[in-house]
Amino acid sequence: QKEVEQDPGPLSVPEGAIVSLNCTYSNSAFQYFMWYRQYSRKGPELLMYTYSSGNKEDGRFTAQVDKSSKYISLFIRDSQPSDSATYLCAVLMEYGNKLVFGAGTILRVKS
Amino acid sequence: DVKVTQSSRYLVKRTGEKVFLECVQDMDHENMFWYRQDPGLGLRLIYFSYDVKMKEKGDIPEGYSVSREKKERFSLILESASTNQTSMYLCASSLRGQLTDTQYFGPGTRLTVL
Repeated sequence: QKEVEQDPGPLSVPEGAIVSLNCTYSNSAFQYFMWYRQYSRKGPELLMYTYSSGNKEDGRFTAQVDKSSKYISLFIRDSQPSDSATYLCAVLMEYGNKLVFGAGTILRVKS
Repeated sequence: DVKVTQSSRYLVKRTGEKVFLECVQDMDHENMFWYRQDPGLGLRLIYFSYDVKMKEKGDIPEGYSVSREKKERFSLILESASTNQTSMYLCASSLRGQLTDTQYFGPGTRLTVL
């Protein structure tokens, strides 16, 4: 079983839609949760980072962690064509020495 | 602005060749990482380094080695390239010893082994 599962998509939505991207993880010891965005032919860049449970908002982006169900989500409001990218979740244990990445979800926002 | 550069964007090598992938960061970061990225598998850590001349194995170190002689440079070496090492290779760096620090990635090297 993979430590982090993520639906690869592609997920195709019209401009302005609310997008929900999700990951599940298997080990309750993970405490840090991150979302990276990767544009085509580029390396990933950190979008958001949360510790333990709860929500974190940054502009149009909201990251949500539900540790009871081992489920993490990234919501994008008013999605734009420029949001088209691959979104990778990543998790880390409290004293862990490596990030564990999901496989990434391809998002396409159509204008 | 942090900049992580990788020596080549695209590389084609033959089976059995020795391959060097170079990564340079310009922000005096302590930590450097090498990942490979494959469809459906995401990013997998090959090796990482917390300091000059220090290295630790990641999840998939077999068939690879690394070298960190200077703080800004981290090299990935494929001693004898094989076709199953065809992949996208990503280098990253982060400031301190905490893995919660943001990792800054280079643009990647797409390696094809024939």
